[in-house]
Amino acid sequence: GQQVMQIPQYQHVQEGEDFTTYCNSSTTLSNIQWYKQRPGGHPVFLIQLVKSGEVKKQKRLTFQFGEAKKNSSLRITATQTTDVGTYFCAGLYNFNKFYFGSGTKLNVKP
Amino acid sequence: DAMVIQNPRYQVTQFGKPVTLSCSQTLNHNVMYWYQQKSSQAPKLLFHYYDKDFNNEADTPDNFQSRRPNTSFCFLDIRSPGLGDAAMYLCATSRDNFQGEQYFGPGTRLTVT
Repeated sequence: GQQVMQIPQYQHVQEGEDFTTYCNSSTTLSNIQWYKQRPGGHPVFLIQLVKSGEVKKQKRLTFQFGEAKKNSSLRITATQTTDVGTYFCAGLYNFNKFYFGSGTKLNVKP
Repeated sequence: DAMVIQNPRYQVTQFGKPVTLSCSQTLNHNVMYWYQQKSSQAPKLLFHYYDKDFNNEADTPDNFQSRRPNTSFCFLDIRSPGLGDAAMYLCATSRDNFQGEQYFGPGTRLTVT
């Protein structure tokens, strides 16, 4: 069925290292969004990608949407302790079915 | 400053005792969503309203109901809570269905005893 698979489940990095999380879908997405949830907090919107092959940057964060609109990635360069949290992708199917990926929990060691 | 407000932040109810969670927004958004999030899991969409138009997810149990009396307020009613309904319940809003940013409230953590 329609669902968004996200890997890895956990990632532990040393401060300053890069981090990437990946989302994959078996069917084409209408759009994909990315959210960050800090421990004990609520999801906070980061970005939405709509176009095939789209790449967007926000400071140290780079978001990509695959050419087939079935996969997406979020890369954080030079991680900081403030990047700690769980990163979720969320995919929209046929403009009316919306599913969060399982999330990648990022821990950054100072 | 708070844009999406949820009350209460913590709710304890007894097994089988109806409970209502509330959400209000100051953003005047058309869409309001209710999500259930269990520990270390992703948020799961229960239902959403576009204005007064109610959209239920196919796998949302009948035990869960919702009301939206006006643009600003939305309620989640759990008619007979079971132990498996213990979770964080998140309300969110957006201008259009699943398009653009969803603004989440702080959530209500429900405990069922």
